[in-house]
Amino acid sequence: GQNIDQPTEMTATEGAIVQINCTYQTSGFNGLFWYQQHAGEAPTFLSYNVLDGLEEKGRFSSFLSRSKGYSYLLLKELQMKDSASYLCAVRDSNYQLIWGAGTKLIIKP
Amino acid sequence: IAGITQAPTSQILAAGRRMTLRCTQDMRHNAMYWYRQDLGLGLRLIHYSNTAGTTGKGEVPDGYSVSRANTDDFPLTLASAVPSQTSVYFCASSDRANTEAFFGQGTRLTVV
Repeated sequence: GQNIDQPTEMTATEGAIVQINCTYQTSGFNGLFWYQQHAGEAPTFLSYNVLDGLEEKGRFSSFLSRSKGYSYLLLKELQMKDSASYLCAVRDSNYQLIWGAGTKLIIKP
Repeated sequence: IAGITQAPTSQILAAGRRMTLRCTQDMRHNAMYWYRQDLGLGLRLIHYSNTAGTTGKGEVPDGYSVSRANTDDFPLTLASAVPSQTSVYFCASSDRANTEAFFGQGTRLTVV
C-alpha cells in the first residue's frame, strides 16, 4: 500500500530552527509537496520538490532524497505564527496526491 | 470572488438526508478535487475531475457523487447522509495534475 509517515507533534522555541521529517512509500513518484495548515483553516502551499536536493524559500527550506523516500521541511527563525500543522504529500504514478496525517508544530516563547 | 469558494461553511444534517456541498473556482483550473479531513488522518481523496466533463473515484468514494458540467463548478453530493460522514470537507483545484493544489476554506459537516 501507499504510506506517508511524519511525526504527529513537535515543539520548538521561538527564534530556533526545526526540521520536520517525512518518509514515503508510494506507487511511483511525481513530486513531493509541503503544505501549512493553521487550525480551522485550509492548507496552503509551501514548497514542491521533484528532484533530489534542497529548495530554499525564505525562512523555509525543503529537502528531497528519492532513493531514500525521504523529505524534510526546515523552518528557521521560528515565529509564533508558524504554529500550525505541516502536511507532506506525494504525487503518485497516477498524479494523485497521497497525504500524510500532518505534523502539529507548537512554538513556545 | 477570487480563488476557490465552498458553501456552506458549516452544516448540521440529519442522517438519511441528501446534501450537496458546493465548490466554485474562478482560476480556470482544469483539475478539481474533493477531500475529507478527519482528526489523526491525512486528507483523503473522495472524487476528482481532471477536466470538465470527466470525473474519477478517489480513495473513499462510497456514499458520495460528483459532477463536472463546466470548468468552474464541482459539487459533491451525499445521497443519504450517515454519521460516519461527519468530517471537514475541502474542495481543491490545480492548473494541471502535476502542479500545486489550491484549497477552499472547507465545509464542516456534522451528521446526527
